[in-house]
Order: sequence, then structure tokens, then C-alpha cells
Amino acid sequence: AQSVTQPDIHITVSEGASLELRCNYSYGATPYLFWYVQSPGQGLQLLLKYFSGDTLVQGIKGFEAEFKRSQSSFNLRKPSVHWSDAAEYFCAVGSDLNDYKLSFGAGTTVTVRA
Amino acid sequence: GAVVSQHPSWVICKSGTSVKIECRSLDFQATTMFWYRQFPKQSLMLMATSNEGSKATYEQGVEKDKFLINHASLTLSTLTVTSAHPEDSSFYICSGGGGYTFGSGTRLTVV
Repeated sequence: AQSVTQPDIHITVSEGASLELRCNYSYGATPYLFWYVQSPGQGLQLLLKYFSGDTLVQGIKGFEAEFKRSQSSFNLRKPSVHWSDAAEYFCAVGSDLNDYKLSFGAGTTVTVRA
Repeated sequence: GAVVSQHPSWVICKSGTSVKIECRSLDFQATTMFWYRQFPKQSLMLMATSNEGSKATYEQGVEKDKFLINHASLTLSTLTVTSAHPEDSSFYICSGGGGYTFGSGTRLTVV
């Protein structure tokens, strides 16, 4: 079974600074990897996903993530954070492209200070 | 892109009553949909897989008699929390097969 670890529970970053959120996965085969963002009381919005091909994935809102098989990682980055990026971020892994079932990490709360 | 609509956004009910939550795929047909539960400040846990025209598949530890799932059409899955208790209070969110898209979630409070 697949699993996801997000080592950082909470990250505080200054507005305009860069942001990197860590995600490590455990899965024997090629994983399907996702990053979602959730604002308080809201549903999940898909930021980006990796299925295959180029290991650097561009997403919405200026986010990108890099799949590194050797490190079993899929870290999310943004060069310059905006106050509106304050939210909860979840990394998720799927095992079957046609299954659509996901396992989520515990999440990382991002606080943006002025 | 794929859009999943979930209704209601929030509901308050009395202990012992039942509550139905709807999850609709608006622009795609979904033979499977998924129901997750999220406790405050925690991650999402898969509760069950909703299968169109057949029985739902529940994850270990999820009471199938308490959380009734019906997937009667290719665009609608419903989750009914039966005989709700305060410990059932949570955020419930569904997802559709198209594009790994999630609904906006339902905040259930049982008083």
C-alpha cells in the first residue's frame, strides 16, 4: 500500500520569500503524485499532478513540484509567496491511474507574515 | 475541466436523525466516486468507494450501516449518515474520477 509523509506540520514564511513544502512517498511502483491546497472550511483545489514524463511539473498559482525517484520525493515550491497562499497543503499519492483513489499526507499549514 | 458539486455545504442536525449529502459530477460521468472524512486539523481519510449500480466498498473500520452510500446514476452519489451522533461531526468531502477533482465539502455538526 502507498503512503505519504509530509515532515513539516507548520511553516511560516514572509511575503515575497520562497516556499518549499516537502513530501515523501512510499510505493513500490511508479506513483501518481498530487498537491492540493485547502483554505479553511473549503474543499481541495488541485495545484498540480505528476503521472509521467518531465519530472518538473508546473501547476496553478505559480507553484511547481519536482519528482525525484531516487529520493522518493515530490516537493512543492513557489519562488515568491503571496499572502493569499496561506492555507493547508496536502500531498497525495495514487497507485492506479484508473483507480482515482488517493492516500493523503497529514498536511502542512502555511502561514504568511507581512 | 471536471467539476464536482457537493451539497449541502454545511448542516446541523440533532442526535439520532439522519443526514444525506449529495455529490454530483457536473461535466463527466463517474462510475466511481470517493467519500473522505476530515477531522479538524487532520488529513483526509478515505471512507468508501462508491460504485455506480453496485454496492459501495468500505475501508476498514468504517461502519457501512452508519454511512450508507448510494450511487444510482453516473452523475450522483449520496452519503447518508444514519442515526447521527456528536462523534460523527466532521468535514465530509467527495471526489470524482474525472481529474481527481474534489467537491467543496460538507461540514456536519451533530448536536
